[in-house]
Amino acid sequence: AQSVTQLDSHVSVSEGTPVLLRCNYSSSYSPSLFWYVQHPNKGLQLLLKYTSAATLVKGINGFEAEFKKSETSFHLTKPSAHMSDAAEYFCVVSDSNYQLIWGAGTKLIIKP
Amino acid sequence: DTEVTQTPKHLVMGMTNKKSLKCEQHMGHRAMYWYKQKAKKPPELMFVYSYEKLSINESVPSRFSPECPNSSLLNLHLHALQPEDSALYLCASSQPGSARFEKLFFGSGTQLSVL
Repeated sequence: AQSVTQLDSHVSVSEGTPVLLRCNYSSSYSPSLFWYVQHPNKGLQLLLKYTSAATLVKGINGFEAEFKKSETSFHLTKPSAHMSDAAEYFCVVSDSNYQLIWGAGTKLIIKP
Repeated sequence: DTEVTQTPKHLVMGMTNKKSLKCEQHMGHRAMYWYKQKAKKPPELMFVYSYEKLSINESVPSRFSPECPNSSLLNLHLHALQPEDSALYLCASSQPGSARFEKLFFGSGTQLSVL
């Protein structure tokens, strides 16, 4: 069975400093992996996805993630945080059928 | 148009009421989804429609009844709900086939409160 673990429930960084949101997965297959963002009282928006092409994936709003098979990780990074990045971030892995397996989420807090 | 539109944005209903949530997209997507999201939790899949046919029902109680009248519209009919059904209900769409590869487009959701 596939699973995904987001290692931090909350991450707090100062504006202008780097962001790192950690995600580990387990999969019997060659997985597809996604990061979604949810701003307060909003729906979910895809930041980026990995589907067995380049291991470094660039997304929207300056975010990127690196697929590391040896570490079963797909961490999300951004060089410089902005106040508008404050949101909930979900790491998601696909299973062999139709469904997406969602991580528990990481709340990103940006300090001025 | 890359939007998924959900109405209403907020809904308060009693346990004896009947209400409906609506979702619309005009991206030509032939797969549409209902998710339920409790506060501070990830979304949970409820239903999937593919080519207007129900393809997945995640053992959702019958007080929730989905309907897909055409390729652009998705409804969720609510009847005799319980207070624990209070949540954010999200609609999503994508190209059909496996969600393994496809981006989901989400609406902003309907915040439902059951009294």
